[in-house]
Amino acid sequence: AQSVTQPDIHITVSEGASLELRCNYSYGATPYLFWYVQSPGQGLQLLLKYFSGDTLVQGIKGFEAEFKRSQSSFNLRKPSVHWSDAAEYFCAVGAVRNNDMRFGAGTRLTVKP
Amino acid sequence: EAQVTQNPRYLITVTGKKLTVTCSQNMNHEYMSWYRQDPGLGLRQIYYSMNVEVTDKGDVPEGYKVSRKEKRNFPLILESPSPNQTSLYFCASSWGSRDTQYFGPGTRLTVL
Repeated sequence: AQSVTQPDIHITVSEGASLELRCNYSYGATPYLFWYVQSPGQGLQLLLKYFSGDTLVQGIKGFEAEFKRSQSSFNLRKPSVHWSDAAEYFCAVGAVRNNDMRFGAGTRLTVKP
Repeated sequence: EAQVTQNPRYLITVTGKKLTVTCSQNMNHEYMSWYRQDPGLGLRQIYYSMNVEVTDKGDVPEGYKVSRKEKRNFPLILESPSPNQTSLYFCASSWGSRDTQYFGPGTRLTVL
């Protein structure tokens, strides 16, 4: 089955600085990749997803992610972080061959003023 | 308003006392899923359903049951809860397994 790793448990960035959250997956074929955000006390909301085509995907709130097959990665980026981006971010992978979904352990983002 | 609702939002119970957490969606989605969220482990899928009367195990199904008798409802049943099932539970729905999932607000369960 597919699996996903988010190597960074917690990241702190200053407001206005750039951000990159890492996601690595394990799957034998092209996966379906997602980034979700969870604000404190809330459910999850989709930021962006990748199925096929252009490997650079644009999402909501100014986020983007790049699928790199050679590195089995799908890192999330934002050029300039806002205080409201403080949240927990989850990478998820779905598979062509089954219908289940695997989430990473999450990366908690703190934004310093 | 398109939404996924869960009830109850908070529940404290004792070991062995059967409970049901309800989940309902009003988007006519075919795919529904239950997750539990634990610190350091992220979300782990418990069960999912591709459509009415079609359910399948996710990553951590032990100790849980589900049913899908109607398209809009997907209750999670704990027949004999144990303390290791203390967690935050999320229900989600989508058109298919590879589509955007819409999450409910979560149910915080404590089993004493």
